[in-house]
Amino acid sequence: QKEVEQNSGPLSVPEGAIASLNCTYSDRGSQSFFWYRQYSGKSPELIMFIYSNGDKEDGRFTAQLNKASQYVSLLIRDSQPSDSATYLCAVTLPRGATNKLIFGTGTLLAVQP
Amino acid sequence: KAGVTQTPRYLIKTRGQQVTLSCSPISGHRSVSWYQQTPGQGLQFLFEYFSETQRNKGNFPGRFSGRQFSNSRSEMNVSTLELGDSALYLCASSLPSSQETQYFGPGTRLLVL
Repeated sequence: QKEVEQNSGPLSVPEGAIASLNCTYSDRGSQSFFWYRQYSGKSPELIMFIYSNGDKEDGRFTAQLNKASQYVSLLIRDSQPSDSATYLCAVTLPRGATNKLIFGTGTLLAVQP
Repeated sequence: KAGVTQTPRYLIKTRGQQVTLSCSPISGHRSVSWYQQTPGQGLQFLFEYFSETQRNKGNFPGRFSGRQFSNSRSEMNVSTLELGDSALYLCASSLPSSQETQYFGPGTRLLVL
């Protein structure tokens, strides 16, 4: 079982719709959860982080964390063509003093005009 | 505040050669991590440095090494290059505490011929 799993997609949504991206993780002790966006040929850009169960909103983005079910999701409201990118879920592990990130393989989002 | 910088941005090497990549973290960030990104394996953790000490290491052969200087700048070295080392090498910096958000540089794209 992979430590962090994401559906590779592509996930295609029409412009203006809500895009829902999901991620599951295997280590129940994982503490911090991050969503990065990566455009083709570019480096990952941080979108949101979440540490506690529940929802966290930032503009059009909402991160949701459910530690009991070991999943974290990212909702993008009013999706725009500029949101088309690969979305990477990452978690930190509880072992030791480290900022090591474990990444999923990413979900490709395509927003259709 | 300036972001993470990486040099060079692009490199072409031949098998058997060695390469050194450089990373300057965001001012005030003392933790530097390196990742390798390939289409087949995704983003994989190489190592993390804090206060000139390697704090964590990923599952890569000894040909991959790194170091950090007193000004928090970091270098990574790959010796005896193999074709499979062709990848995007990403540096990320963060505050020194564990579980901190990491910010990525633009990456160095290495092509091994």
